[in-house]
Amino acid sequence: KQEVTQIPAALSVPEGENLVLNCSFTDSAIYNLQWFRQDPGKGLTSLLLIQSSQREQTSGRLNASLDKSSGRSTLYIAASQPGDSATYLCVRGSNYKLTFGKGTLLTVNP
Amino acid sequence: GAGVSQSPRYKVAKRGQDVALRCDPISGHVSLFWYQQALGQGPEFLTYFQNEAQLDKSGLPSDRFFAERPEGSVSTLKIQRTQQEDSAVYLCASRVTGLDTEAFFGQGTRLTVV
Repeated sequence: KQEVTQIPAALSVPEGENLVLNCSFTDSAIYNLQWFRQDPGKGLTSLLLIQSSQREQTSGRLNASLDKSSGRSTLYIAASQPGDSATYLCVRGSNYKLTFGKGTLLTVNP
Repeated sequence: GAGVSQSPRYKVAKRGQDVALRCDPISGHVSLFWYQQALGQGPEFLTYFQNEAQLDKSGLPSDRFFAERPEGSVSTLKIQRTQQEDSAVYLCASRVTGLDTEAFFGQGTRLTVV
């Protein structure tokens, strides 16, 4: 079974801290790795998409890396803000299917 | 519209009632997916369409679940004789085409079966 594991399940940090969210996946035959943000009662917002041929993508304070050989991806958030509080989902794209992790619930305290 | 639109946003159904959930994908998007998200869990795959063809329905939990996309655009997920365990958020996603393109999700329909 294709699985995506996210660690930690929950994380609470003070405002301003840099932080790393981890994602691991089985089967290195992926097409891409996508990170989403989910706010309570809302849908999924795409943050970053890394193609299988890429090693990282950056958008503002966010940086996502991909290591296919080890089956790992990380999402780095710099200078965290209370508005970053949300659930972050790692999604593995293979063939046509998207396989989700259970997410990391991030709380950034003012 | 600019994004994936789902309706209704919220649905309360009595146990045994039939429900229909609608998804309007981004115009021109070939691929359409339905996912089910239980409370505190990540979304789980239900079914996949490429244009009007349903290429994978392996994630549908029972034969009470049925999805269609007759003209290759709007899709409907129908649940017959709803049960309490069907309570979840149902998410629809679309992407333009191809296996390596970005997926865009709607805001979901929260179904509560009472």
